[in-house]
Amino acid sequence: DIQMTQSPSSLSASVGDRVTITCRASQSISRYLNWYQQKPGKAPKLLIYGASSLQSGVPSRFSGSGSGTDFTLTISSLQPEDFATYYCQQSFITPITFGQGTRLEIK
Amino acid sequence: QVTLKESGPVLVKPTETLTLTCTVSGLSLSNARMGVSWIRQPPGKALEWLAHIFSNYEKSSDEKSYNTSLKSRLTISKDTSKSQVVLTLTNMEPVDTATYYCARADAYAWLENDSWGQGTLVTVSS
Repeated sequence: DIQMTQSPSSLSASVGDRVTITCRASQSISRYLNWYQQKPGKAPKLLIYGASSLQSGVPSRFSGSGSGTDFTLTISSLQPEDFATYYCQQSFITPITFGQGTRLEIK
Repeated sequence: QVTLKESGPVLVKPTETLTLTCTVSGLSLSNARMGVSWIRQPPGKALEWLAHIFSNYEKSSDEKSYNTSLKSRLTISKDTSKSQVVLTLTNMEPVDTATYYCARADAYAWLENDSWGQGTLVTVSS
């Protein structure tokens, strides 16, 4: 199975900050990397698919990049509603696997 | 607009079999763009992909894939006429306590899960 490792596991930041979360795959996954945001008690929400494509309706302050094994999710200017847990997911090969999550907290 | 909704028991006993149903609307399950994944999340823990199913036009059959460590216990199937996907997990244990989600997976895109059900919490306890 492909292992997905996110860093950091948790992060404290302030409104307006630029934040980057990284995700590393244990082998090349081309651009089959998706990012999700999850708030407490809610289902995950797709933010980015195919490493860099913004899902419809997602604010443009979210962006994704990378290919192969190394990927990043960037939030250009944190808003209060962005404090949540973020997960990466590889969909290059089954079984599909998720990262362990990055909890983004208010500083 | 695609919507999904999970249904099933909220409490199961150890060793029992869990059967969950995902009812889909907005797109037919016969459409390969309407693949369905099952994903679970134990309380306070990360997401875990369980299985997915979608129609394979070229093979005129369904493609099914399973989580490696749970493969022997999992079965996924679909009833296109009822717009339902069913997941069974045998020999339930307390560690299987989790919120179980079904989600759409587009087999002709990146297999991203762009629409999710609300999730259903299943507790395993005697």
